[in-house]
Amino acid sequence: EAGVAQSPRYKIIEKRQSVAFWCNPISGHATLYWYQQILGQGPKLLIQFQNNGVVDDSQLPKDRFSAERLKGVDSTLKIQPAKLEDSAVYLCASSLLGTPYQETQYFGPGTRLLVL
Amino acid sequence: TQLLEQSPQFLSIQEGENLTVYCNSSSVFSSLQWYRQEPGEGPVLLVTVVTGGEVKKLKRLTFQFGDARKDSSLHITAAQPGDTGLYLCAGASDSGYALNFGKGTSLLVTP
Repeated sequence: EAGVAQSPRYKIIEKRQSVAFWCNPISGHATLYWYQQILGQGPKLLIQFQNNGVVDDSQLPKDRFSAERLKGVDSTLKIQPAKLEDSAVYLCASSLLGTPYQETQYFGPGTRLLVL
Repeated sequence: TQLLEQSPQFLSIQEGENLTVYCNSSSVFSSLQWYRQEPGEGPVLLVTVVTGGEVKKLKRLTFQFGDARKDSSLHITAAQPGDTGLYLCAGASDSGYALNFGKGTSLLVTP
């Protein structure tokens, strides 16, 4: 079974530029998550989709971050414009149903973003 | 946000030693999960504990959930270099959808 795929694996941009990340979850998984992991910290949930609807985006900085999940499968996360503090690893995860206390989340390898 | 404190933050030991890492919170969780993350990879789930006082074993790893479901520990017996990685605990409440992660314990096991 193929895992969660993410691209690109690495990205270096200058502040105020835009960047987009792509995620393809495990086939059949209804729930997709985007996390931000800053160096030395644990992952922080940015947004959770159930199929193509948003379940939780309370920690997404909506003035610069946006995300979509078209057709309930692939997802993109965009930052526009980027700030220095956005340097982090952006992890995508998926799960079958979306009940964190009952099931496993499968993580992709992440996209490492460096903002100069 | 329910905060999870992990200790120690860093741990460097030699192969064959035993170790324990801790995950503490003032909040009650419906379940608590432990993940291991290797450099350049995403976290991988090791175990989920649900019942207060529950103990689960995974080969040389022993996980315990506190009676009050506010804390957890991970004990590794006879550590091996392959155990090297970042160990993350994450708590879930039955009133929310999000997993709250601790900052992790970075473990280095040298031969």
